[in-house]
Amino acid sequence: DIQMTQSPASLSASLEEIVTITCQASQDIGNWLAWYQQKPGKSPQLLIHSATSLADGIPSRFSGSRSGTQYSLKISRLQVEDTGIYYCLQRYSNPWTFGGGTKLELK
Amino acid sequence: QVQLKETGPGLVQPTQTLSITCTVSGFSLTSYYMQWVRQTPGKGLEWMGFIRSGGSTEYNSEFKSRLSISRDTSKNQVFLKMNSLKTEDTGVYYCARDLILAYWGQGTLVTVSS
Repeated sequence: DIQMTQSPASLSASLEEIVTITCQASQDIGNWLAWYQQKPGKSPQLLIHSATSLADGIPSRFSGSRSGTQYSLKISRLQVEDTGIYYCLQRYSNPWTFGGGTKLELK
Repeated sequence: QVQLKETGPGLVQPTQTLSITCTVSGFSLTSYYMQWVRQTPGKGLEWMGFIRSGGSTEYNSEFKSRLSISRDTSKNQVFLKMNSLKTEDTGVYYCARDLILAYWGQGTLVTVSS
């Protein structure tokens, strides 16, 4: 199975700060990576698919990038509504696997 | 608009079979993949499997021997059945649409306990 190692596990940042979350894949997954945000008691919401493509309706302060087998989610100017838990998902091979999550809080 | 809603039993006894229905609206099941994902305290988010728009299925090997996904296109429903439940299967079960999981249901909490 492909392992997705997500870091950091938790993060505290200030309003308007730049935030970066990373996922390291245990092997090549191409661009078959997505990012999701989950708020307490809610289902995950798609933010980024295909490593760099912004999902419909998602603010442009969210962006995704790839460097080899390392994938990053960047929030350019953190807003209050961006708090929650962020997950990456690889769908390159069965079984699809999620990262362990990054809990993002406001400082 | 696109809507998905899971309905499940809430409480299931160990060794019994779990049945969850995902009822959708705003699109056709014959046009999209439908996925099942669960979230458990022990393992976090886990992809379970999907049913393709054409009706064939693919499963996570971890569940393959006890999981079945099917659908009734006339009723706009997708079904998850998983047998031999254990306490560690306790969690929230979600259905989601398409290959990028762009739409999710609200989830249904399943507790496995005697």
